[in-house]
Amino acid sequence: AQTVTQSQPEMSVQEAETVTLSCTYDTSESDYYLFWYKQPPSRQMILVIRQEAYKQQNATENRFSVNFQKAAKSFSLKISDSQLGDAAMYFCAYYQGAQKLVFGQGTRLTINP
Amino acid sequence: EPEVTQTPSHQVTQMGQEVILRCVPISNHLYFYWYRQILGQKVEFLVSFYNNEISEKSEIFDDQFSVERPDGSNFTLKIRSTKLEDSAMYFCASSAKGGGDLNTEAFFGQGTRLTVV
Repeated sequence: AQTVTQSQPEMSVQEAETVTLSCTYDTSESDYYLFWYKQPPSRQMILVIRQEAYKQQNATENRFSVNFQKAAKSFSLKISDSQLGDAAMYFCAYYQGAQKLVFGQGTRLTINP
Repeated sequence: EPEVTQTPSHQVTQMGQEVILRCVPISNHLYFYWYRQILGQKVEFLVSFYNNEISEKSEIFDDQFSVERPDGSNFTLKIRSTKLEDSAMYFCASSAKGGGDLNTEAFFGQGTRLTVV
């Protein structure tokens, strides 16, 4: 079964600095999608960024980018120029077309002003 | 922008009572999902639904749970006899594609916080 692991329960960063959240996953499949979701205190799940496994180029969305290392099964999220509104739980998730997302345990990100 | 809508936002129920959580998926989506998040824990898959039937369910989704799409727009999750451990945030999601098609994105509702007392 696929598993997703986020080894950092909590991270903090100074406003305007850069932070990287780690995620590793386990799969025997070669074709899949990976996602980062943000969950603010309102607890809504908001898609931040996604990566197709067949693409070598790392996905980028404004201040958010990923470092996708397929051989290492690693998928980290980099947030540049951190803003107070980035404070949230961040979940890494895997999708392989099995009708479901598999989520990691989450990383709580705190932004220090 | 189209969105998934869930009602109610918060429901309190007594142990043993039945609850129905409601969701209105995005109108042209065909695949529907329920996920659960116990406070402080990760989001867990419960069930997926396509073409008016369950396509996959997790071990959490036992006989006390059921899903239905009663009228072509709503997608409901029923818990027949609630237990204290059912207290959680329940998220509905929908996607335009699913199954073997990887080019898809699941859109989540804002969640229903269920508290069983």
